[in-house]
Amino acid sequence: GESVGLHLPTLSVQEGDNSIINCAYSNSASDYFIWYKQESGKGPQFIIDIRSNMDKRQGQRVTVLLNKTVKHLSLQIAATQPGDSAVYFCAENILSDSWGKLQFGAGTQVVVTP
Amino acid sequence: DVKVTQSSRYLVKRTGEKVFLECVQDMDHENMFWYRQDPGLGLRLIYFSYDVKMKEKGDIPEGYSVSREKKERFSLILESASTNQTSMYLCASSFTLRASGRVEGAGELFFGEGSRLTVL
Repeated sequence: GESVGLHLPTLSVQEGDNSIINCAYSNSASDYFIWYKQESGKGPQFIIDIRSNMDKRQGQRVTVLLNKTVKHLSLQIAATQPGDSAVYFCAENILSDSWGKLQFGAGTQVVVTP
Repeated sequence: DVKVTQSSRYLVKRTGEKVFLECVQDMDHENMFWYRQDPGLGLRLIYFSYDVKMKEKGDIPEGYSVSREKKERFSLILESASTNQTSMYLCASSFTLRASGRVEGAGELFFGEGSRLTVL
């Protein structure tokens, strides 16, 4: 399944399938990006980050892709599991400023169906 | 494990009351943050602090103040609560990213469980 961030805030994916969550970031000067996962009733948890000098980074079952040309970030989750049901936020930062602060997107709800 | 602890999970206050939200982190992080989270708006930064007794305004500081007297503790204060301050409040902490001795900014944020405030 595939979502387009703010325009499609809910992504429904079948257990075992791969998920793709998209994020269009706003500032072309941003050079640090993070994906967070927030389960119901909990605070956000760090998943993976990437700097602008990279276009791909892999973690455990997750891959983040960065396309600076079109200001697009995506999170791929392999073999989606019920425990992956959550809201996923992308966040951008401008480290090249004197002190960068993260700016968060509105989030995408991922629902994993059996 | 990193732990960011927020003192209250749920609070109900009346308009005009003074509200204190407390946050403690145990990772010796330099930076601490207060966000509020509202449906459809994501996380918005209220205030942050990069050192003891230092504070900086975030994107929506109006109606809030903060206090950081000790490194591990960051308090959010609503001097006179209003109904539009009903929200989920999230505290976070982070280390500082440095490269070649230069400060870059905040590293990954570690969040608390949140404090849901209702102002009647």
